[in-house]
Amino acid sequence: TQLLEQSPQFLSIQEGENLTVYCNSSSVFSSLQWYRQEPGEGPVLLVTVVTGGEVKKLKRLTFQFGDARKDSSLHITAAQPGDTGLYLCAGTGAGSYQLTFGKGTKLSVIP
Amino acid sequence: NAGVTQTPKFQVLKTGQSMTLQCAQDMNHNSMYWYRQDPGMGLRLIYYSASEGTTDKGEVPNGYNVSRLNKREFSLRLESAAPSQTSVYFCASSEDRWAGRTDTQYFGPGTRLTVL
Repeated sequence: TQLLEQSPQFLSIQEGENLTVYCNSSSVFSSLQWYRQEPGEGPVLLVTVVTGGEVKKLKRLTFQFGDARKDSSLHITAAQPGDTGLYLCAGTGAGSYQLTFGKGTKLSVIP
Repeated sequence: NAGVTQTPKFQVLKTGQSMTLQCAQDMNHNSMYWYRQDPGMGLRLIYYSASEGTTDKGEVPNGYNVSRLNKREFSLRLESAAPSQTSVYFCASSEDRWAGRTDTQYFGPGTRLTVL
């Protein structure tokens, strides 16, 4: 079973601050995704990364896939209250059909 | 275009009762999934259907059964509910399911189930 460890589990910051969320594993993943989930709703895909070392930007969000494809990070610049939510990383191993989810990072951005 | 819809949104059951959670998607996707989400546990796959007419077990299938009624609909049944099945249940769909590749999964709004 491939495991994804997310850290921190909880994060509370002031509006305007920067933050980084991490997703780590001892296993190699062929692709990795980041989802955001708001209270009372299902997760929504933010990005998929497939190449080791890949960096993708989505407005103030920057996603990076580690060179060895075992880890990923999500960096948010100048956080806003609208960024509040649960951030989940999820990965698929080589030759695997199953999407494995991390336990999530719950982010609160205080106005 | 409603995406993925789930019914009901909330349900309270007594131990031993049965119920079926309904899920439908209007995106013409081939693959559908049922997950449960528990505090501190993330999302865990219960069952999936790679295509119409096929179903397979996921990580936590015990106590559940599924039916892929047609391409649009995928239901989850609890035959004899137990308190350990108290959870939020999400249905999801994706265009296809490929080994080593992850298509975007689109999630429904969830069903919040409490078993007393």
